[in-house]
Amino acid sequence: QKEVEQDPGPLSVPEGAIVSLNCTYSNSAFQYFMWYRQYSRKGPELLMYTYSSGNKEDGRFTAQVDKSSKYISLFIRDSQPSDSATYLCAMSAESNYQLIWGAGTKLIIKP
Amino acid sequence: EADIYQTPRYLVIGTGKKITLECSQTMGHDKMYWYQQDPGMELHLIHYSYGVNSTEKGDLSSESTVSRIRTEHFPLTLESARPSHTSQYLCASSEQDVGELFFGEGSRLTVL
Repeated sequence: QKEVEQDPGPLSVPEGAIVSLNCTYSNSAFQYFMWYRQYSRKGPELLMYTYSSGNKEDGRFTAQVDKSSKYISLFIRDSQPSDSATYLCAMSAESNYQLIWGAGTKLIIKP
Repeated sequence: EADIYQTPRYLVIGTGKKITLECSQTMGHDKMYWYQQDPGMELHLIHYSYGVNSTEKGDLSSESTVSRIRTEHFPLTLESARPSHTSQYLCASSEQDVGELFFGEGSRLTVL
């Protein structure tokens, strides 16, 4: 079983919808949680970074961490066609900073 | 925009050839990484470096080698390419142990 599970999609939603992307994990030692966005034929770029539990908001993006359920989410409000990309979650423990990645969810925003 | 560059972006070569994928960054980061990414699969760390003359293997077994003679340069070499090496290779750098990774645009390698 993988340490980090992520639905590969594709997830197709109309422009303006609220998008919810999720990852589950098995290692309770994970403390650092990240969301990266990867456009086609590009490298990933950091979107959101959270430490431990709680919510973090940045513009249209909100990251949530629920450590009791071992579940993290990324919400995108007022989704735009430019949000169409693959979204990768990544996480690491404090004892070993090596990032463990999800396989990514492909998101398609239809105009 | 990240200042990390990879060349070549695309490469098609025959089995048995030696290849070097170049990676350079201008941000002065000590930490650099090579990841392998296959379609629909998670990124796997194949090599990393925490500074000049420091290199380590990652969690994914790889027949490639790396060197770090200069802070800004972290090339990856395959001595004898095989079809199983066909993949996308992503180079990244970071300033902190757990912080933002800055990725290059990737080198897509196809071995025939």
